[in-house]
Amino acid sequence: SQQGEEDPQALSIQEGENATMNCSYKTSINNLQWYRQNSGRGLVHLILIRSNEREKHSGRLRVTLDTSKKSSSLLITASRAADTASYFCATRALGGSEKLVFGKGTKLTVNP
Amino acid sequence: NAGVMQNPRHLVRRRGQEARLRCSPMKGHSHVYWYRQLPEEGLKFMVYLQKENIIDESGMPKERFSAEFPKEGPSILRIQQVVRGDSAAYFCASSPVTGSNQPQHFGDGTRLSIL
Repeated sequence: SQQGEEDPQALSIQEGENATMNCSYKTSINNLQWYRQNSGRGLVHLILIRSNEREKHSGRLRVTLDTSKKSSSLLITASRAADTASYFCATRALGGSEKLVFGKGTKLTVNP
Repeated sequence: NAGVMQNPRHLVRRRGQEARLRCSPMKGHSHVYWYRQLPEEGLKFMVYLQKENIIDESGMPKERFSAEFPKEGPSILRIQQVVRGDSAAYFCASSPVTGSNQPQHFGDGTRLSIL
């Protein structure tokens, strides 16, 4: 199974602190994507990193990818209360269909 | 510039009834994906469609579930003879025509409750 796993399952921090979430997966991938989901809403795409990339930045987000360890991390710097949400990594298998395989997510709470 | 539109947002059905979930992809997107999410879980892939074609249905249960994406109109996920275990949030996503490194854009989902 390609099913990924995020850790930690839940993370609670204070506003202004950094939040780091990790994701592991099992098979060779074409790309890895991070999504955010607010309660009761759909998923919002945050960042896509290709298998030949090692690091990518977007605003306060920094994503790393280590294909040798089959792992990725998402760092949110200077967190805000509005960052409170669940964060999911999703992988697209190499040579497979366009489907995404999601982990179970990390529930982030940023306390004001 | 509307995003992916799903309706209804909430759907209540009794056991044995049929549920029809609709998804209109973003303008210019011809790839549609359906996912199911149980409480406190990640999304599980169900089916991937292009206009009038099912490309990958490896995540679809073998019975009672079907999906279509006609030439005109929205994509439909149909669940016949619903059971309690079908209660979940169903999400639709879409992506543009080409390129495997395109993100999928998600709708806000349909929350299906089975009484």
